[in-house]
Amino acid sequence: QKEVEQDPGPLSVPEGAIVSLNCTYSNSAFQYFMWYRQYSRKGPELLMYTYSSGNKEDGRFTAQVDKSSKYISLFIRDSQPSDSATYLCAMTFSGSARQLTFGSGTQLTVLP
Amino acid sequence: NAGVTQTPKFRILKIGQSMTLQCTQDMNHNYMYWYRQDPGMGLKLIYYSVGAGITDKGEVPNGYNVSRSTTEDFPLRLELAAPSQTSVYFCAGGTGYEQYFGPGTRLTVT
Repeated sequence: QKEVEQDPGPLSVPEGAIVSLNCTYSNSAFQYFMWYRQYSRKGPELLMYTYSSGNKEDGRFTAQVDKSSKYISLFIRDSQPSDSATYLCAMTFSGSARQLTFGSGTQLTVLP
Repeated sequence: NAGVTQTPKFRILKIGQSMTLQCTQDMNHNYMYWYRQDPGMGLKLIYYSVGAGITDKGEVPNGYNVSRSTTEDFPLRLELAAPSQTSVYFCAGGTGYEQYFGPGTRLTVT
């Protein structure tokens, strides 16, 4: 079993839709959770990070962490064609050298 | 600030050749990392550094070496290239739990 599982998609939605992206993990010691966006042939770009459980909102993006279920989500409201990319979840331990464990990524296409 | 820069962008190596992938950051990050990304496999940590003169192995270090003589530079050395090292390599830097990635180096070993 992988430490971090992420549905690879691909996921296609119409413009304006609400998108839900998810990851599950097996190691309960993870405490910091990140979402990265990666456009084709580019480096990953940090979107958001959260500590422990709860929600965090930034514009059209909301990150949720449910540590009891070992489940994290990224919601994108009013999705735009420019949101078309691969979304990677990542997580790490508190007090570590910040080594991240990544999911394999979900490929999202937002259709105009 | 340029952030994290990587050179070269692309490279084709023959089996058994060696090369160094360069990574430079201008954000004064203490932490620096090397990852490789294979299709559909996410990113896997090769080596990391918590400061100049300090390096440690990540998940997949075999066939690679690193050095960190300055805060800015974190080169990755491939010795005796093998086809299994065909991948996209990303360098990243950070000061906390946020990591900022370079544009990547696409390496093919044939």
